[in-house]
Amino acid sequence: SAVISQKPSRDICQRGTSLTIQCQVDSQVTMMFWYRQQPGQSLTLIATANQGSEATYESGFVIDKFPISRPNLTFSTLTVSNMSPEDSSIYLCSVTRLAGVTDTQYFGPGTRLTVL
Amino acid sequence: TQLLEQSPQFLSIQEGENLTVYCNSSSVFSSLQWYRQEPGEGPVLLVTVVTGGEVKKLKRLTFQFGDARKDSSLHITAAQTGDTGLYLCAGEYSNSGYALNFGKGTSLLVTP
Repeated sequence: SAVISQKPSRDICQRGTSLTIQCQVDSQVTMMFWYRQQPGQSLTLIATANQGSEATYESGFVIDKFPISRPNLTFSTLTVSNMSPEDSSIYLCSVTRLAGVTDTQYFGPGTRLTVL
Repeated sequence: TQLLEQSPQFLSIQEGENLTVYCNSSSVFSSLQWYRQEPGEGPVLLVTVVTGGEVKKLKRLTFQFGDARKDSSLHITAAQTGDTGLYLCAGEYSNSGYALNFGKGTSLLVTP
């Protein structure tokens, strides 16, 4: 398994501001993923973060809005920029670990963001 | 994007009842995972199925992967109030490495 922590666990922010979310993993991983879970919805992948290269963004997500850093193999940050109420969501980071013969994803507890 | 359809979306049952949640796709997945998520928490992995026709049991939970690896089901026997939560199926898709494509989830409420 993997132990993943996120900071902050929740925040309430004003429109137009930015929030940086941190994700820490208990051991080195190649890929980290950032997901968004809007209220009452399932998880949507924002981007994949590899150490030493630019993050790969999914359709509908752009670097200017969601800049990501991956300075080492155990840490990543996601910034939600110029926030609006539509950005109110739970943001989750995850990592992949080999479990037996399959790759398994493990999730952090999430950061609950409310934008006023 | 490979779509995963989950049904039902909501389910409210009483303790002791049985239930089945379905996860269907038109695409073949190399593996499919089931997660359970409680309010304020991240999803927690229940099981990974890999082989077509595979059946896995986790106490009162039975997971099945379709022969063609396009669908899966989760069956809970004698549900308990502690089973309440959001159940998510997720398939591995190739465009983003090992990232997952999630179904919309089934919100289960088990009442005493």
